[in-house]
Amino acid sequence: DSGVTQTPKHLITATGQRVTLRCSPRSGDLSVYWYQQSLDQGLQFLIQYYNGEERAKGNILERFSAQQFPDLHSELNLSSLELGDSALYFCASSPKGHWDTEAFFGQGTRLTVV
Amino acid sequence: GENVEQHPSTLSVQEGDSAVIKCTYSDSASNYFPWYKQELGKRPQLIIDIRSNVGEKKDQRIAVTLNKTAKHFSLHITETQPEDSAVYFCAASGAYNTDKLIFGTGTRLQVFP
Repeated sequence: DSGVTQTPKHLITATGQRVTLRCSPRSGDLSVYWYQQSLDQGLQFLIQYYNGEERAKGNILERFSAQQFPDLHSELNLSSLELGDSALYFCASSPKGHWDTEAFFGQGTRLTVV
Repeated sequence: GENVEQHPSTLSVQEGDSAVIKCTYSDSASNYFPWYKQELGKRPQLIIDIRSNVGEKKDQRIAVTLNKTAKHFSLHITETQPEDSAVYFCAASGAYNTDKLIFGTGTRLQVFP
């Protein structure tokens, strides 16, 4: 157990719908990172939040948004869903605002768009 | 933008043989290079990392080498075992203030008994 909690574990929804994925970082970690992993693909960086503020952005679609709340949990919102959005979405957390130490990944949320 | 290339995409070895996975990165300011192992259906887990002020690091059967001049780093697994079978991802950080960790595309390692 990495200490990073993601909910839900599985999500099945229809095209055009909107979903929210939730991530609770390890206790004390200030940074939350979101990654998308499509079938048999690598980990695509979406976005990072540090202590409530957006810190870095990757190839995140405009239909996707995220936020980090005062209690440091984060939510990734995916709207106007398309079949191609089906993927495993990972959240990771680390103590600092930059990568120089291990980041711990959650178990992921598997999103299936039908 | 930043890019990390990883080769090979698949690697099959006999138990007991060595396996080598290579990565190159584009951002010369990158200073942190972790390697993650992902078993089927599970989360990526850090197996070893190296920082730019170190050329080589070893942890039991796993070693990583870094050549900053060539912007190249490699993972070496010796005496492979069937439980080493997984997908391995290399990654490189951006400069201190860019806060991105860019992953390679992964190498699927299969170790046959």
